Amino acid sequence: ETGVTQTPRHLVMGMTNKKSLKCEQHLGHNAMYWYKQSAKKPLELMFVYNFKEQTENNSVPSRFSPECPNSSHLFLHLHTLQPEDSALYLCASSQGTASGNTIYFGEGSWLTVV
Amino acid sequence: QKEVEQDPGPLSVPEGAIVSLNCTYSNSAFQYFMWYRQYSRKGPELLMYTYSSGNKEDGRFTAQVDKSSKYISLFIRDSQPSDSATYLCAMIRNTGNQFYFGTGTSLTVIP
Repeated sequence: ETGVTQTPRHLVMGMTNKKSLKCEQHLGHNAMYWYKQSAKKPLELMFVYNFKEQTENNSVPSRFSPECPNSSHLFLHLHTLQPEDSALYLCASSQGTASGNTIYFGEGSWLTVV
Repeated sequence: QKEVEQDPGPLSVPEGAIVSLNCTYSNSAFQYFMWYRQYSRKGPELLMYTYSSGNKEDGRFTAQVDKSSKYISLFIRDSQPSDSATYLCAMIRNTGNQFYFGTGTSLTVIP
C-alpha cells in the first residue's frame, strides 16, 4: 500500500472512446501529479496541481484533460487517443511544490490504445 | 545533452554481489537526489533521498552524491533476488520542484 491509489490498473480503449483514470491519495498531501512512463524513456511530467489548482501543464495534447476536485483526488480524462499514447500513467503526490518535496507514486494505470 | 544520464543496463549479478548503479547530470543547480525502485508492472517506490553531497546509508543500501563530478551512485550490498527491479535516479534543482528522472537501470539478481 503506497498511500496513492490508482484505478483502473489496466485499461484498453479504442481511439474513439472516452475513459477516465482516477487517483486518490491518503497521505494528507497538497500537491498531485500525472506522469507518463514509456519504455526506454524518462518519466514525463504531464500536469501538476497544488491545493487543487493547476500549476503546470507540460504541453500536453488536449486529448488528455485533468481534473482535480480536491487535494485528495485527481482524474485524467481521455478522449480520441492515439496508439502512441499507450503507456503507464502514474499519479503521484507530495506535501507541497516547494523545492525538496519528494513525491510518492501510485501503482500506475496501464493504458493500451487500439 | 540530456539533463540526467543513466545506463539502462540490463545488469545481471549473482546473489550476494555488491551492485553499483550510477547517474550523471549536467546541471550544477541540482541539490536534491533520490533513488526509486520500480518492480515490474508497479509504480516507483522511494528508496533513498539525499541532500547535496555526501553519503547516506540505509540497511544494505548506500546513496552517494559527488556534486563536484556531477555523479550519484546507489550501492546495494549482499544483493538478493528480491532486489531485481528497475532503479530510477531523480533529482531536483534548488529552486522549484521539477523532478528530472533517469531512464532507469534494469537489475536482475540471480539466485
